[in-house]
Amino acid sequence: DAGITQSPRYKITETGRQVTLMCHQTWSHSYMFWYRQDLGHGLRLIYYSAAADITDKGEVPDGYVVSRSKTENFPLTLESATRSQTSVYFCASLRGTSSHGELFFGEGSRLTVL
Amino acid sequence: AQTVTQSQPEMSVQEAETVTLSCTYDTSESDYYLFWYKQPPSRQMILVIRQEAYKQQNATENRFSVNFQKAAKSFSLKISDSQLGDAAMYFCAYRSARTGGGADGLTFGKGTHLIIQP
Repeated sequence: DAGITQSPRYKITETGRQVTLMCHQTWSHSYMFWYRQDLGHGLRLIYYSAAADITDKGEVPDGYVVSRSKTENFPLTLESATRSQTSVYFCASLRGTSSHGELFFGEGSRLTVL
Repeated sequence: AQTVTQSQPEMSVQEAETVTLSCTYDTSESDYYLFWYKQPPSRQMILVIRQEAYKQQNATENRFSVNFQKAAKSFSLKISDSQLGDAAMYFCAYRSARTGGGADGLTFGKGTHLIIQP
Protein backbone atom coordinates (compact mmCIF):
# COMPACT_ATOMS: atom_id res chain seq x y z
CA ASP A 1 0.00 0.00 0.00
CA ALA A 2 1.14 3.53 -0.72
CA GLY A 3 1.93 5.64 2.28
CA ILE A 4 4.52 6.54 4.81
CA THR A 5 5.85 3.94 7.20
CA GLN A 6 8.05 4.23 10.26
CA SER A 7 10.08 1.61 12.02
CA PRO A 8 10.41 0.56 14.70
CA ARG A 9 7.06 1.53 16.21
CA TYR A 10 8.46 1.03 19.71
CA LYS A 11 12.04 1.13 20.91
CA ILE A 12 13.66 1.00 24.33
CA THR A 13 17.33 1.84 24.56
CA GLU A 14 19.91 2.97 27.08
CA THR A 15 21.64 6.29 27.53
CA GLY A 16 24.61 6.65 25.22
CA ARG A 17 23.52 4.14 22.61
CA GLN A 18 22.99 4.99 18.97
CA VAL A 19 19.46 4.63 17.65
CA THR A 20 18.14 5.00 14.13
CA LEU A 21 14.49 5.54 13.33
CA MET A 22 13.53 4.70 9.78
CA CYS A 23 11.03 6.46 7.56
CA HIS A 24 9.93 5.33 4.11
CA GLN A 25 7.41 6.91 1.77
CA THR A 26 6.05 5.51 -1.48
CA TRP A 27 4.79 8.73 -3.09
CA SER A 28 8.15 10.22 -4.14
CA HIS A 29 7.31 13.43 -2.28
CA SER A 30 10.18 15.89 -2.31
CA TYR A 31 9.79 17.30 1.20
CA MET A 32 10.10 15.14 4.28
CA PHE A 33 10.12 16.07 7.96
CA TRP A 34 10.90 14.69 11.38
CA TYR A 35 8.92 15.90 14.39
CA ARG A 36 9.00 14.95 18.03
CA GLN A 37 5.89 15.03 20.19
CA ASP A 38 6.12 15.67 23.90
CA LEU A 39 3.40 16.33 26.43
CA GLY A 40 2.92 20.06 26.82
CA HIS A 41 4.92 20.89 23.70
CA GLY A 42 2.84 19.63 20.82
CA LEU A 43 4.93 18.67 17.78
CA ARG A 44 8.29 20.29 17.19
CA LEU A 45 10.31 20.11 13.99
CA ILE A 46 13.68 18.38 14.30
CA TYR A 47 14.95 18.25 10.71
CA TYR A 48 13.53 18.48 7.24
CA SER A 49 14.64 17.63 3.73
CA ALA A 50 13.66 19.36 0.51
CA ALA A 51 15.03 16.59 -1.74
CA ALA A 52 17.59 13.83 -1.83
CA ASP A 53 20.90 15.04 -0.36
CA ILE A 54 19.33 18.28 0.89
CA THR A 55 18.61 18.51 4.59
CA ASP A 56 18.28 21.34 7.08
CA LYS A 57 17.70 21.94 10.78
CA GLY A 58 14.37 22.62 12.34
CA GLU A 59 13.52 23.96 15.78
CA VAL A 60 15.14 21.24 17.94
CA PRO A 61 18.00 19.58 15.97
CA ASP A 62 20.58 19.09 18.72
CA GLY A 63 21.51 15.46 19.30
CA TYR A 64 20.05 14.26 16.00
CA VAL A 65 21.47 13.48 12.59
CA VAL A 66 19.58 12.85 9.35
CA SER A 67 20.45 11.71 5.87
CA ARG A 68 18.57 11.43 2.61
CA SER A 69 20.46 9.43 0.02
CA LYS A 70 17.21 8.36 -1.67
CA THR A 71 13.99 10.33 -2.09
CA GLU A 72 11.90 7.67 -0.40
CA ASN A 73 13.95 7.25 2.78
CA PHE A 74 14.67 9.73 5.55
CA PRO A 75 16.28 8.08 8.58
CA LEU A 76 16.76 9.90 11.88
CA THR A 77 19.73 8.94 14.05
CA LEU A 78 20.34 9.69 17.70
CA GLU A 79 24.10 9.30 17.89
CA SER A 80 24.24 9.09 21.69
CA ALA A 81 20.76 8.85 23.15
CA THR A 82 19.85 10.86 26.24
CA ARG A 83 16.83 10.59 28.52
CA SER A 84 15.55 13.92 27.25
CA GLN A 85 15.14 12.29 23.85
CA THR A 86 12.44 9.99 25.18
CA SER A 87 9.55 10.98 22.97
CA VAL A 88 7.23 9.99 20.15
CA TYR A 89 8.78 10.71 16.77
CA PHE A 90 6.77 11.40 13.64
CA CYS A 91 7.96 11.37 10.08
CA ALA A 92 5.94 13.27 7.49
CA SER A 93 6.00 14.08 3.79
CA LEU A 94 4.50 16.97 1.87
CA ARG A 95 2.31 16.41 -1.15
CA GLY A 96 3.54 18.82 -3.82
CA THR A 97 5.96 21.65 -3.21
CA SER A 98 3.57 24.48 -2.53
CA SER A 99 2.71 25.61 0.93
CA HIS A 100 -0.93 24.59 0.80
CA GLY A 101 0.02 20.98 0.24
CA GLU A 102 -1.07 18.44 2.80
CA LEU A 103 1.38 16.86 5.21
CA PHE A 104 1.04 13.10 5.54
CA PHE A 105 2.29 11.53 8.74
CA GLY A 106 3.60 8.13 9.65
CA GLU A 107 2.18 6.33 12.66
CA GLY A 108 4.94 7.45 14.96
CA SER A 109 7.81 5.74 16.76
CA ARG A 110 7.76 5.73 20.53
CA LEU A 111 11.32 5.87 21.88
CA THR A 112 12.19 5.34 25.52
CA VAL A 113 15.73 6.09 26.70
CA LEU A 114 16.58 4.55 30.08
CA ALA B 1 8.91 33.27 14.16
CA GLN B 2 5.32 32.21 14.14
CA THR B 3 3.62 30.87 17.24
CA VAL B 4 0.38 28.96 17.65
CA THR B 5 -1.53 28.97 20.92
CA GLN B 6 -4.25 26.59 22.02
CA SER B 7 -5.46 27.85 25.38
CA GLN B 8 -7.67 24.87 26.22
CA PRO B 9 -5.63 21.82 27.29
CA GLU B 10 -8.83 19.80 27.62
CA MET B 11 -12.47 20.12 26.58
CA SER B 12 -15.45 17.91 27.32
CA VAL B 13 -18.75 17.74 25.43
CA GLN B 14 -21.84 15.58 25.48
CA GLU B 15 -22.41 13.32 22.53
CA ALA B 16 -24.50 15.02 19.81
CA GLU B 17 -23.68 18.49 21.17
CA THR B 18 -21.52 21.15 19.55
CA VAL B 19 -18.05 22.09 20.77
CA THR B 20 -15.61 24.81 19.72
CA LEU B 21 -11.85 24.50 20.09
CA SER B 22 -9.85 27.72 20.18
CA CYS B 23 -6.65 28.60 18.40
CA THR B 24 -4.78 31.86 18.05
CA TYR B 25 -1.57 32.51 16.18
CA ASP B 26 0.99 35.20 15.82
CA THR B 27 2.57 36.11 12.50
CA SER B 28 3.77 39.13 10.60
CA GLU B 29 2.92 37.53 7.27
CA SER B 30 -0.24 38.21 5.30
CA ASP B 31 -0.39 34.98 3.32
CA TYR B 32 -0.40 31.63 5.06
CA TYR B 33 -2.34 28.44 5.66
CA LEU B 34 -3.98 27.12 8.78
CA PHE B 35 -4.81 23.53 9.62
CA TRP B 36 -6.56 21.43 12.22
CA TYR B 37 -5.19 17.93 12.77
CA LYS B 38 -6.80 15.18 14.79
CA GLN B 39 -4.77 12.60 16.70
CA PRO B 40 -6.83 9.69 18.06
CA PRO B 41 -5.38 7.20 20.55
CA SER B 42 -3.85 5.30 17.62
CA ARG B 43 -1.41 8.27 17.33
CA GLN B 44 -2.09 8.73 13.63
CA MET B 45 -2.18 12.41 12.63
CA ILE B 46 -5.22 13.08 10.46
CA LEU B 47 -5.93 16.31 8.62
CA VAL B 48 -9.38 17.58 9.58
CA ILE B 49 -9.65 20.90 7.78
CA ARG B 50 -7.54 23.51 6.02
CA GLN B 51 -7.98 27.28 5.55
CA GLU B 52 -6.17 29.59 3.16
CA ALA B 53 -5.63 33.02 4.69
CA TYR B 54 -6.53 34.82 1.45
CA LYS B 55 -9.99 33.26 1.47
CA GLN B 56 -12.63 35.05 3.51
CA GLN B 57 -15.03 32.13 3.41
CA ASN B 58 -14.69 29.77 6.33
CA ALA B 59 -13.76 26.20 5.43
CA THR B 60 -16.24 23.41 6.12
CA GLU B 61 -15.86 19.64 6.03
CA ASN B 62 -19.08 17.84 6.95
CA ARG B 63 -19.54 18.32 10.73
CA PHE B 64 -16.33 20.31 11.05
CA SER B 65 -16.14 24.02 10.34
CA VAL B 66 -13.83 26.85 11.23
CA ASN B 67 -14.28 30.44 12.30
CA PHE B 68 -11.36 32.26 10.74
CA GLN B 69 -10.84 35.81 11.98
CA LYS B 70 -7.76 37.11 10.18
CA ALA B 71 -7.56 40.47 11.91
CA ALA B 72 -7.84 38.84 15.31
CA LYS B 73 -5.50 36.00 14.25
CA SER B 74 -8.01 33.49 15.47
CA PHE B 75 -8.84 30.10 13.97
CA SER B 76 -11.36 28.09 15.97
CA LEU B 77 -12.72 24.66 15.09
CA LYS B 78 -16.40 23.86 15.57
CA ILE B 79 -17.52 20.26 15.74
CA SER B 80 -21.25 19.78 15.36
CA ASP B 81 -23.21 16.71 16.43
CA SER B 82 -20.21 15.36 18.36
CA GLN B 83 -19.63 11.63 18.07
CA LEU B 84 -17.67 9.22 20.24
CA GLY B 85 -15.19 8.81 17.40
CA ASP B 86 -14.34 12.51 17.63
CA ALA B 87 -12.54 11.91 20.93
CA ALA B 88 -8.88 12.78 20.27
CA MET B 89 -6.16 15.37 20.60
CA TYR B 90 -6.69 18.25 18.22
CA PHE B 91 -3.79 20.33 16.99
CA CYS B 92 -3.94 23.69 15.30
CA ALA B 93 -1.09 24.35 12.87
CA TYR B 94 0.30 27.17 10.73
CA ARG B 95 2.37 27.26 7.56
CA SER B 96 3.77 30.22 5.70
CA ALA B 97 2.72 30.65 2.07
CA ARG B 98 5.97 32.22 0.92
CA THR B 99 8.05 30.44 -1.70
CA GLY B 100 9.81 27.53 -0.12
CA GLY B 101 7.35 27.65 2.71
CA GLY B 102 7.10 23.92 2.54
CA ALA B 103 10.57 23.87 3.96
CA ASP B 104 9.22 25.20 7.21
CA GLY B 105 6.82 22.33 7.66
CA LEU B 106 4.11 23.21 10.14
CA THR B 107 4.18 25.11 13.41
CA PHE B 108 1.86 23.36 15.87
CA GLY B 109 -0.02 24.42 18.96
CA LYS B 110 0.26 22.26 22.08
CA GLY B 111 -3.06 20.57 21.44
CA THR B 112 -6.50 20.25 23.01
CA HIS B 113 -7.68 16.93 24.39
CA LEU B 114 -11.34 16.49 23.45
CA ILE B 115 -13.46 14.16 25.56
CA ILE B 116 -16.87 13.02 24.35
CA GLN B 117 -19.31 12.12 27.13
CA PRO B 118 -21.83 9.43 26.09
